[in-house]
Amino acid sequence: DQQVKQNSPSLSVQEGRISILNCDYTNSMFDYFLWYKKYPAEGPTFLISISSIKDKNEDGRFTVFLNKSAKHLSLHIVPSQPGDSAVYFCAASGNSGYSTLTFGKGTMLLVSP
Amino acid sequence: DSGVTQTPKHLITATGQRVTLRCSPRSGDLSVYWYQQSLDQGLQFLIQYYNGEERAKGNILERFSAQQFPDLHSELNLSSLELGDSALYFCASSVEGSSYGYTFGSGTRLTVV
Repeated sequence: DQQVKQNSPSLSVQEGRISILNCDYTNSMFDYFLWYKKYPAEGPTFLISISSIKDKNEDGRFTVFLNKSAKHLSLHIVPSQPGDSAVYFCAASGNSGYSTLTFGKGTMLLVSP
Repeated sequence: DSGVTQTPKHLITATGQRVTLRCSPRSGDLSVYWYQQSLDQGLQFLIQYYNGEERAKGNILERFSAQQFPDLHSELNLSSLELGDSALYFCASSVEGSSYGYTFGSGTRLTVV
């Protein structure tokens, strides 16, 4: 049973436009959410996170939104750049971040010039 | 270089064999996590060690085992290998047991033929 779902396997966006990656979760005990980015032949790298006490967190071009009632979070990248092309994993944790991370299957983002 | 070192990078072996994957965590990190990424699957949590002791267990098969040594490096042992065990195996480390600071290695690609 997948507790973290990324329903879009891939997303194509033009350079300069907004990229929106979505993630849904089912476990009500999750209270800390993260996004990781992964390039081919590399391990995932941390991108941005959000605690359940917030509904938005911003870091430069990256913003994560959390809708607890809908159990949904999204990652916005504005403006998108070709270097953003990668696989993006949504992850969730409980116990204020002290439980192990549960990952989604990932969304491959392709940003074309 | 993330600071987490995984060896070997690639491994090809036959069904029924046994292999050992090695992980050296980032300097100062006490927790080590093992994840498996199969085709079309997200990162599946296998097992966590904290300062030499098993802390959490995920979907790890009985044919798989792991340990963390006094110098904090960890090994994942996979035995009686099956074709379905072919996957990317990632190791991550963090300072404590929190999700805040997972740092991933670049992975070991295991191919069972």
